[in-house]
Amino acid sequence: AQSVSQHNHHVILSEAASLELGCNYSYGGTVNLFWYVQYPGQHLQLLLKYFSGDPLVKGIKGFEAEFIKSKFSFNLRKPSVQWSDTAEYFCAVTYSGSARQLTFGSGTQLTVLP
Amino acid sequence: NAGVTQTPKFQVLKTGQSMTLQCAQDMNHEYMSWYRQDPGMGLRLIHYSVGAGITDQGEVPNGYNVSRSTTEDFPLRLLSAAPSQTSVYFCASSYSEAGSNIQYFGAGTRLSVL
Repeated sequence: AQSVSQHNHHVILSEAASLELGCNYSYGGTVNLFWYVQYPGQHLQLLLKYFSGDPLVKGIKGFEAEFIKSKFSFNLRKPSVQWSDTAEYFCAVTYSGSARQLTFGSGTQLTVLP
Repeated sequence: NAGVTQTPKFQVLKTGQSMTLQCAQDMNHEYMSWYRQDPGMGLRLIHYSVGAGITDQGEVPNGYNVSRSTTEDFPLRLLSAAPSQTSVYFCASSYSEAGSNIQYFGAGTRLSVL
């Protein structure tokens, strides 16, 4: 079965620190990649997505992610986090042949200290 | 344009009771799905539908039924609730872009089964 791994379960940073959250997926051919964010008490919102083209994608709120095909990775980055970035972040993948089904990672809780 | 609307927001059931979680979308999306979110496990797909009259099982379908009589509505039924079904349930709808899904999520239903 296809799977998505997020190795950091809980990350704690101070404001202005740089962020990188890891995401690795199992090999399954052509993939589409997503990062979703869930702020406390809210539903999931799309941060950014990668379908094809430039492997460095930029999303909302200053987030970006880089698709590295050789490493099966799609890490999320932000140069300087803010307290308002405190949330849970989910990496998700759709695989060719099941392009309508999202497979989610287990999530990373980010806490930003003021 | 309300997006994806889920009701109720909270529900407490006793073991063996039945109930229906409602989900409606007003974006004319063909694809709808139900996920459950459990701590440390991310979101797991329960059932999905690619259009009215068509449903299929996801990763964790046992104990849940769905139907899709209209494009707008996709209710999730628990026929005999069990404590293992205590979770947060999210409904999502999506359109297809470049062969993949951009999924929009509802606010969730927090269910406790005693």
